[in-house]
Amino acid sequence: GAGVSQSPSNKVTEKGKDVELRCDPISGHTALYWYRQSLGQGLEFLIYFQGNSAPDKSGLPSDRFSAERTGGSVSTLTIQRTQQEDSAVYLCASSLGTAFQETQYFGPGTRLLVL
Amino acid sequence: AQSVAQPEDQVNVAEGNPLTVKCTYSVSGNPYLFWYVQYPNRGLQFLLKYITGDNLVKGSYGFEAEFNKSQTSFHLKKPSALVSDSALYFCAVRDNTGRRALTFGSGTRLQVQP
Repeated sequence: GAGVSQSPSNKVTEKGKDVELRCDPISGHTALYWYRQSLGQGLEFLIYFQGNSAPDKSGLPSDRFSAERTGGSVSTLTIQRTQQEDSAVYLCASSLGTAFQETQYFGPGTRLLVL
Repeated sequence: AQSVAQPEDQVNVAEGNPLTVKCTYSVSGNPYLFWYVQYPNRGLQFLLKYITGDNLVKGSYGFEAEFNKSQTSFHLKKPSALVSDSALYFCAVRDNTGRRALTFGSGTRLQVQP
């Protein structure tokens, strides 16, 4: 079946602009995660959604970052007033459930470049 | 707190030789360990995981990993490397004490020479 999809695949923006990144998880997966991959910081957790529960936002680096998940499926990560240090690859993952042994399946990522 | 260490930034191996990519971890509770591979300009692809039971876990593309509780290690291995195995490999962990997100190592670049 279809895997996790993300759009756009690449995004170039100017400092100070807002950007929206989209993630479409695997059908039937109830958990959705956002991670960021950057040269200096490696792979960092950003936010996690599970069903109707309150999201775990503990990884968001600042209040310029927010995310929502509509209808328990598609998620949008929004970065307001982008800064050059926001340049990174943003990866989305989904898993069937929230058991600790569940495998997270990753999308291809969105490569964000802030000029 | 959870942490993962991949002590080698790069591993070089000749095609046909065995390969090992090292990973050690630190968790509070019971560990759940994962290996992912990343090819250029691609997302992370799941290789294998350890949950419980047999310490030797077999995964995709002939890879396997050995869980060693006393050494808190989960090294990735393959008996015979292929040039196509050249990629970036990430070890990840979470435990059963609450946080669902994975904690990743810094990654090891595997270069298999023909």
